[in-house]
Amino acid sequence: AQSVAQPEDQVNVAEGNPLTVKCTYSVSGNPYLFWYVQYPNRGLQFLLKYITGDNLVKGSYGFEAEFNKSQTSFHLKKPSALVSDSALYFCAVRDSSGYSTLTFGKGTMLLVSP
Amino acid sequence: EAGVAQSPRYKIIEKRQSVAFWCNPISGHATLYWYQQILGQGPKLLIQFQNNGVVDDSQLPKDRFSAERLKGVDSTLKIQPAKLEDSAVYLCASRSGGRRQETQYFGPGTRLLVL
Repeated sequence: AQSVAQPEDQVNVAEGNPLTVKCTYSVSGNPYLFWYVQYPNRGLQFLLKYITGDNLVKGSYGFEAEFNKSQTSFHLKKPSALVSDSALYFCAVRDSSGYSTLTFGKGTMLLVSP
Repeated sequence: EAGVAQSPRYKIIEKRQSVAFWCNPISGHATLYWYQQILGQGPKLLIQFQNNGVVDDSQLPKDRFSAERLKGVDSTLKIQPAKLEDSAVYLCASRSGGRRQETQYFGPGTRLLVL
């Protein structure tokens, strides 16, 4: 069975500082990895994905994530945080087979202080 | 391109009542998903459709939940009768059918409160 771990319930960072939101996964076969962001009373908004190719993936709003196969990790990063980045972030994984479904982590709340 | 539409946005019912949610996916998207998101948790898949056929409903509580996608476009999710523990946000998502089109796009969700 596939699973995702987001070890931090909350990450606090000052505006302008770099941020990292951690994600590790477990899946049989090759992983497809995703990051989504959820603002209050909104649905999930796609940020970026890793399917194949370059281990460093760039996504929306200046976010990026690095796929590390040996550590089974897919941490989300941004060089300089904005107050508007404050939201709930979800990591998700599925395997590469045809109709495999997404499994989400429990989410990490990112709080960026002015 | 219009996104995934869901209605209603909010619903309050009493336990043992029935409720239905509607979802209209992005035009042309063959795959449609319903998720349940309980407060403090990540979304959990309830059911996945490919066109109008069910691909995965292994986590759908079939004694009270049902879903259909009759014409392969919009979909309804029904709960009858509702329980207190059904209070959650119900998210609909869709994905195009292409092999490399792996991204699911989510609607705004329906927030259900069962009293």
